[in-house]
Amino acid sequence: GENVEQHPSTLSVQEGDSAVIKCTYSDSASNYFPWYKQELGKRPQLIIDIRSNVGEKKDQRIAVTLNKTAKHFSLHITETQPEDSAVYFCAAIAPNNNDMRFGAGTRLTVKP
Amino acid sequence: NAGVTQTPKFQVLKTGQSMTLQCAQDMNHEYMSWYRQDPGMGLRLIHYSVGAGITDQGEVPNGYNVSRSTTEDFPLRLLSAAPSQTSVYFCASSYSSYSNQPQHFGDGTRLSIL
Repeated sequence: GENVEQHPSTLSVQEGDSAVIKCTYSDSASNYFPWYKQELGKRPQLIIDIRSNVGEKKDQRIAVTLNKTAKHFSLHITETQPEDSAVYFCAAIAPNNNDMRFGAGTRLTVKP
Repeated sequence: NAGVTQTPKFQVLKTGQSMTLQCAQDMNHEYMSWYRQDPGMGLRLIHYSVGAGITDQGEVPNGYNVSRSTTEDFPLRLLSAAPSQTSVYFCASSYSSYSNQPQHFGDGTRLSIL
């Protein structure tokens, strides 16, 4: 089955700096890659997703890039703010497959 | 719309006890799933369902049963609770019968097995 690895496990940045979280996946057939944000004690919430037919997607300060050849995708957060502090999870899934696999998560801390 | 509703929010069980975690969604979603979240291990899929009457196993199904008698409800049953099942359990749903669509999560059930 699919295996997703996520790095780093913790990330600390100063307010206003950029943050990058990287994930690799093993199944070359995977075609959907969501990112979820989970604040302490809360539910995971989708913040952005990308499908394999595009290489990059942007939504205000958040962007995701996908490199299908290398089988990795990354989350980029620019102009970070303290409210961006949370745990971020990447995930991947192949078509006709119902077993979405998640990375282990990255705890992002934005220091004011 | 309430979205995905999970009950209870917290539960403490003794080893060997059984219980059912409830999950309901009011979005008419076909796909529903149960995950467990343990520190440092992300979310792992326990069971999922692509529609009423259809269920299947995920990555970590042992010790759990599910059923899907209606589109709205997807309960998770712990048959004989073990300390290793201490975790936070999340139910999620998406409109497609394939989970490669955005998933909506419930607030979670924090379960402790003594």
